[in-house]
Amino acid sequence: GAVVSQHPSWVICKSGTSVKIECRSLDFQATTMFWYRQFPKQSLMLMATSNEGSKATYEQGVEKDKFLINHASLTLSTLTVTSAHPEDSSFYICSALKGGNTDTQYFGPGTRLTVL
Amino acid sequence: GIQVEQSPPDLILQEGANSTLRCNFSDSVNNLQWFHQNPWGQLINLFYIPSGTKQNGRLSATTVATERYSLLYISSSQTTDSGVYFCAVVRRGGSEKLVFGKGTKLTVNP
Repeated sequence: GAVVSQHPSWVICKSGTSVKIECRSLDFQATTMFWYRQFPKQSLMLMATSNEGSKATYEQGVEKDKFLINHASLTLSTLTVTSAHPEDSSFYICSALKGGNTDTQYFGPGTRLTVL
Repeated sequence: GIQVEQSPPDLILQEGANSTLRCNFSDSVNNLQWFHQNPWGQLINLFYIPSGTKQNGRLSATTVATERYSLLYISSSQTTDSGVYFCAVVRRGGSEKLVFGKGTKLTVNP
């Protein structure tokens, strides 16, 4: 199997607070994980590529100081939304790259963030 | 960058009908995946299919890499097939980043 979990599944927070989202590959090791953002009725937008033991690579237009990514182990990557504002409200999804013969990305169930 | 176009954007079917979803891409690819996003947002892997044909139950997919398109077939559709179907590709020679199409929203009515 290839199971990816995310925690929490949903979170409501006040404007100005920080929120941490965890992404874990449960039954395989992933040197590379990805973080996506999805607005209602839209497709997934890649935010950043997270590599174990090194700095994340952010996509153009994504503020690295606002969306802090840490990939401290082969099974865990975290995304911290710092000083969250209502416009950060969205559905955040992570994926983990399972290597081998096919480089297939497996996705977590997503985290719905609502900033009041 | 590589462009991924999916059609149709919306599809409404009666239970039991068959359907074909299409994905066109603008460059050579190393990886092509089809996903089903259920109403709760979970992306479910359907196929890893950069070329060739695969079948899994009522679903099958064909990718013609030389002509830069992939098709997803759903036979004998069920209400649980409802959701959004995404095609995503990794450009050959590029990074491992998946580029997603805008999806096809499928509604299967009882």
